[in-house]
Amino acid sequence: GAGVSQSPSNKVTEKGKDVELRCDPISGHTALYWYRQSLGQGLEFLIYFQGNSAPDKSGLPSDRFSAERTGGSVSTLTIQRTQQEDSAVYLCASSLAPAETQYFGPGTRLLVL
Amino acid sequence: AQTVTQSQPEMSVQEAETVTLSCTYDTSENNYYLFWYKQPPSRQMILVIRQEAYKQQNATENRFSVNFQKAAKSFSLKISDSQLGDTAMYFCAFMNHNTDKLIFGTGTRLQVFP
Repeated sequence: GAGVSQSPSNKVTEKGKDVELRCDPISGHTALYWYRQSLGQGLEFLIYFQGNSAPDKSGLPSDRFSAERTGGSVSTLTIQRTQQEDSAVYLCASSLAPAETQYFGPGTRLLVL
Repeated sequence: AQTVTQSQPEMSVQEAETVTLSCTYDTSENNYYLFWYKQPPSRQMILVIRQEAYKQQNATENRFSVNFQKAAKSFSLKISDSQLGDTAMYFCAFMNHNTDKLIFGTGTRLQVFP
């Protein structure tokens, strides 16, 4: 079946602009995760959605970052007033249930000029 | 807090040979999971192998196997009969049963030479 999809594949924006990154998880997967991969920080957890529970936002680096998951499926990660240090690859993953294996999408490479 | 350490930034191996990638982790938890993910230049993170901490038997997936030493908090990956397509970054990851977040090591870049 189809894997996790993310769009756009690449995004170039100017400092101060807002960006939205989209993640479409594997059908039937109840858990959805966002991670960030950058040269300086490696791979780091951002946010986790599980079913209808309140999301775990403990990894979000600042209040400029937010995410939502509509209808228990598609998720959007929004970065407001982007900064150059936000440049990174943003990876989305989904799993069938908590503690199950996470399957990753191809990522969105964000470049903030 | 849990940490994952991969002490080998780069490794190389000749095609058809065997290579072992090291990973150690630190946790006070007893119920957790360990993973190896592969990230080729295409950027897609691909699961290689998964190990449940409560299982004593080492996980294997075809040419990939792990040496899980729970007491030593060590989780190495052995790749047998290396292939050119194994060239990639390899990440070791830890997941606590209660939090479901993956904590990654810094990765090992593996180059397979013909």
